[in-house]
Amino acid sequence: GQNIDQPTEMTATEGAIVQINCTYQTSGFNGLFWYQQHAGEAPTFLSYNVLDGLEEKGRFSSFLSRSKGYSYLLLKELQMKDSASYLCAVRDGNYQLIWGAGTKLIIKP
Amino acid sequence: TAGITQAPTSQILAAGRSMTLRCTQDMRHNAMYWYRQDLGLGLRLIHYSNTAGTTGKGEVPDGYSVSRANTDDFPLTLASAVPSQTSVYFCASSPGTADTQYFGPGTRLTVL
Repeated sequence: GQNIDQPTEMTATEGAIVQINCTYQTSGFNGLFWYQQHAGEAPTFLSYNVLDGLEEKGRFSSFLSRSKGYSYLLLKELQMKDSASYLCAVRDGNYQLIWGAGTKLIIKP
Repeated sequence: TAGITQAPTSQILAAGRSMTLRCTQDMRHNAMYWYRQDLGLGLRLIHYSNTAGTTGKGEVPDGYSVSRANTDDFPLTLASAVPSQTSVYFCASSPGTADTQYFGPGTRLTVL
């Protein structure tokens, strides 16, 4: 079966750095996505990785290792508004998105 | 720009009743999707449409039907609602099947 694993919840301090990990096992691979979802709102696109390595976009970076079936989302200079759930999703061989259950990130002052 | 709109925002429905959740996008995206999101689970694909006039079944299609008569609209119908269909429903669209998906604001449905 296909599976996406990510921690259920993480806590970090305002101004700090946090890394959210995602491991996956899918039938085929055509890219990995990270989305942010604030409580009661829709998921919004953060990043996309299809090749190994690091993609940087402002305070957010995403890393992919296809051989290890592993990705992480790195958030720097954390702000209170970063309190949200972060969803990892993999596009499988049929171009369907397989979603993880999400990591709820709690930011403390 | 509106992007993707969904209606209603929320609904309480008696079991056995039918209901259509509406989804409209103004981005001229070819592909559209319906997901449900339940606590502790990832988004699960119900149905999808790669282009107007075609639809396909996702991971959890039972009890749901869709149609795609034109590019902009992708309604989801529950023919006879059951309590297990209580969920938050998100519609999404993408320019093509290999592109990033963009989500509507969601419909919170409670079936009693």
